[in-house]
Amino acid sequence: DIQMSQSPSSLSASVGDRVIITCRASQSVNFYLNWYQQKRGEAPRLLIFGSTDLQDGVPSRFSGSGSGTEFTLTINGLQREDFATYFCQESFTTLLTFGPGTTVDI
Amino acid sequence: QVQLVQSGAEVKKPGASVKVSCKAFGYSFTNYEINWVRQASGQGLEWMGWMNPNSGRTGYSPTFQGRVTMTRNTSISTAYMEMTRLKSDDAAVYFCARGSKRRGYEFDSWGQGTLVTVSS
Repeated sequence: DIQMSQSPSSLSASVGDRVIITCRASQSVNFYLNWYQQKRGEAPRLLIFGSTDLQDGVPSRFSGSGSGTEFTLTINGLQREDFATYFCQESFTTLLTFGPGTTVDI
Repeated sequence: QVQLVQSGAEVKKPGASVKVSCKAFGYSFTNYEINWVRQASGQGLEWMGWMNPNSGRTGYSPTFQGRVTMTRNTSISTAYMEMTRLKSDDAAVYFCARGSKRRGYEFDSWGQGTLVTVSS
């Protein structure tokens, strides 16, 4: 089974900062990597699919990159509404494994 | 717009079963798979399985195989997830999510979640 890890597990940032979150897979998942945002008490929301494609309605300050085993989610110019937990997910295998999450707080 | 609306919170005793529903609005229900994901309090996301509303075919995570059944009623655009033999560590929020195949497979719309409490 593929194991997904994320770093850091949490980070503190300020409005306007550039934030980079890393997701690593234990073996190659090609470009089959999604990113979700989850705010406290809410359902997750798809941000990025296929490593780089921005979901409709998601602000352009979010971007994704990477392939194989290492991926990044970048938030350029953090906004107050971006304070949340971010999860990566591989869709290379039928197990659709999620990463453990990265919490971004103030 | 696309919306998934789930049934309300449930309280169950250990050993009981629970059935959660997920009603789809704003798209053709049979054109997209429905997945179920659970999240224990303060924990991460755990994928449970998928169900094809058109064919009824299902696929389950090995973690839940034999204890979870995913079904649907196409006449009311509703998917169901039933879990049997509940244990205390099944207490979690259960989400349904629509599966989309654009570049790989992604969950592009989610239900609001259903809290399942397991307590004697």
